[in-house]
Amino acid sequence: QITLKESGPTLVKPTQTLTLTCTFSGFSLNTAKVGVGWIRQPPGKALEWLALIYGDDDERYSPSLKSRLTITKDTSKSQVVLTMTNMDPGDTATYYCAHSRTTSGVFGSFDYWGQGTLVTVSS
Amino acid sequence: DMQMTQSPSSLSASVGDRVTITCQAPQDISNFLNWYQQKPGRAPKLLIYDASKLETGVPPRFSGSGSGTHYTLTISSLQPEDVATYFCQQFDYLPLSFGGGTKVQIK
Repeated sequence: QITLKESGPTLVKPTQTLTLTCTFSGFSLNTAKVGVGWIRQPPGKALEWLALIYGDDDERYSPSLKSRLTITKDTSKSQVVLTMTNMDPGDTATYYCAHSRTTSGVFGSFDYWGQGTLVTVSS
Repeated sequence: DMQMTQSPSSLSASVGDRVTITCQAPQDISNFLNWYQQKPGRAPKLLIYDASKLETGVPPRFSGSGSGTHYTLTISSLQPEDVATYFCQQFDYLPLSFGGGTKVQIK
């Protein structure tokens, strides 16, 4: 059974760096067709994809946030870490990590999601 | 960026009604489209992948269709447990992008 869980601070100050950890089980992040992605959702708004890392170390980022994001994986710990620099109140959102499964094309579907963690950016 | 346009933004229908939600892409996305259901306070759940393939465990009243730039999610007979917001997502181009969502309620 695949599970994912996000952890990290619930409150960060403007200009600080956010570090979120996704701890997963039920799969190995060591093949090209399996990945872990981060998606966020501001309160009452739509979903926004942030970053994705595959088992072959391929990393993909949203171009609009690329300069602020870093995604890494630690296969031995079954963890994926997302860092986002220079946080702003506009980054207040629920942050989700999700398992990515490639069935067709280069990218794929997010078929298992963590419960999400609400991060508030405020001084 | 590939901005996905969903319509309607919300709808209200009776139990047993057929419900249709559409998703429009600005250019051909070659069926690289997924549909998700999100209930209040919960994470999204994958319903349909590759435009028309039903995810394991999803009731068959849900179906997806379409091609090119125009895609549809259909609920053949709306049930009370289908109250949720539905999102489409394209995965043909980066950045991966989601539609604005359609909130489905029971009349």
